[in-house]
Amino acid sequence: ETGVTQTPRHLVMGMTNKKSLKCEQHLGHNAMYWYKQSAKKPLELMFVYSLEERVENNSVPSRFSPECPNSSHLFLHLHTLQPEDSALYLCASSQDIRVVLDGYTFGSGTRLTVV
Amino acid sequence: EDQVTQSPEALRLQEGESSSLNCSYTVSGLRGLFWYRQDPGKGPEFLFTLYSAGEEKEKERLKATLTKKESFLHITAPKPEDSATYLCAVQAESGGYQKVTFGTGTKLQVIP
Repeated sequence: ETGVTQTPRHLVMGMTNKKSLKCEQHLGHNAMYWYKQSAKKPLELMFVYSLEERVENNSVPSRFSPECPNSSHLFLHLHTLQPEDSALYLCASSQDIRVVLDGYTFGSGTRLTVV
Repeated sequence: EDQVTQSPEALRLQEGESSSLNCSYTVSGLRGLFWYRQDPGKGPEFLFTLYSAGEEKEKERLKATLTKKESFLHITAPKPEDSATYLCAVQAESGGYQKVTFGTGTKLQVIP
């Protein structure tokens, strides 16, 4: 596999469930990101990781919990979500957090629906 | 606060009808401006990075230009396969990493 892979592609969960989103990058990049994309809104940065260390938590509610066990894998753990959390969750990577010359490489996203 | 405004929100073109998409921005210390293409059900795909006013980049039927306040994505003789949402983003330095702010995109539909 090449690029950035996200699983699952689609997820429906109840407000009391716990689930996790997974992201894997095969590019040798040092930085990984979680973004939220809602209809009619710009992409919202949620978390930034550099070499497994979190460098940004963009005022995200605690019901979203990121985990970066190594520079190739990123998880987003979800619990007690609200219907307004329904969105496309995108993972991205870049060579470095300080210089993003060629933009991000995005995965295809996880379409999350909270019922 | 960094801001990116894209217009129009949606654009419908006949095949072969050239046009331009606009991205206006305000940012403290621009480090780069990105254009992405996003197809339905997929993540954004990187197209161009522009760094300074006057810079231009081309790829097939697409040409991106940059001034101090805005960027244009010119589409020459578009084809139906150019239909997608085009996103603009600006990069600025923030606390040791490059913060990227996205616009809401222009949804382009090219009709055969």
